[in-house]
Amino acid sequence: SQELEQSPQSLIVQEGKNLTINCTSSKTLYGLYWYKQKYGEGLIFLMMLQKGGEEKSHEKITAKLDEKKQQSSLHITASQPSHAGIYLCGADMNRDDKIIFGKGTRLHILP
Amino acid sequence: DAGVIQSPRHEVTEMGQEVTLRCKPISGHDYLFWYRQTMMRGLELLIYFNNNVPIDDSGMPEDRFSAKMPNASFSTLKIQPSEPRDSAVYFCASSFWDRGGDEQFFGPGTRLTVL
Repeated sequence: SQELEQSPQSLIVQEGKNLTINCTSSKTLYGLYWYKQKYGEGLIFLMMLQKGGEEKSHEKITAKLDEKKQQSSLHITASQPSHAGIYLCGADMNRDDKIIFGKGTRLHILP
Repeated sequence: DAGVIQSPRHEVTEMGQEVTLRCKPISGHDYLFWYRQTMMRGLELLIYFNNNVPIDDSGMPEDRFSAKMPNASFSTLKIQPSEPRDSAVYFCASSFWDRGGDEQFFGPGTRLTVL
């Protein structure tokens, strides 16, 4: 079974609309990472959350960590075509140096 | 800094051939990671190094896969012999651990096709 589940797997959103992507862990989270991957390219770091209740924002992207629920959400406000891509969450579950990644959420933005 | 550099960007080979993927991490980073990405399995960690020493290779699928890091600025992932099911995008990433966390910087990947 997948240790890190992302939902939805795929998302199609009209430009200008808001959207939320979720990442749920089967284990305690010691660190949660969000990355974006454009099709055919490498991963780009967005932000990292370490403490329960922590919330970070970068431009129109906000991520929150709910430590009790072992869950993180990524929210995009007023989506733009540049937001299209694959969003992956990664987690440190064992307090080691490894990041376990979810399978990603494919985001498409309709003009 | 040029970021993490991987070569080749694309590799097409025939089943049974040896394949070598190369990675140059960001200067000063002390961790190096090799990942494999497929549609079916997503992004999987194969092996990682700390200060050039392999720490965890539990993700390496079979003995056909081997990885080395002879110095702080170079690592290789070798597949011998290659099989069609090895077709995937292979990423190298590096990081520098500090109290603020350990963001991994990814290379552009090598797209491997084994015929």
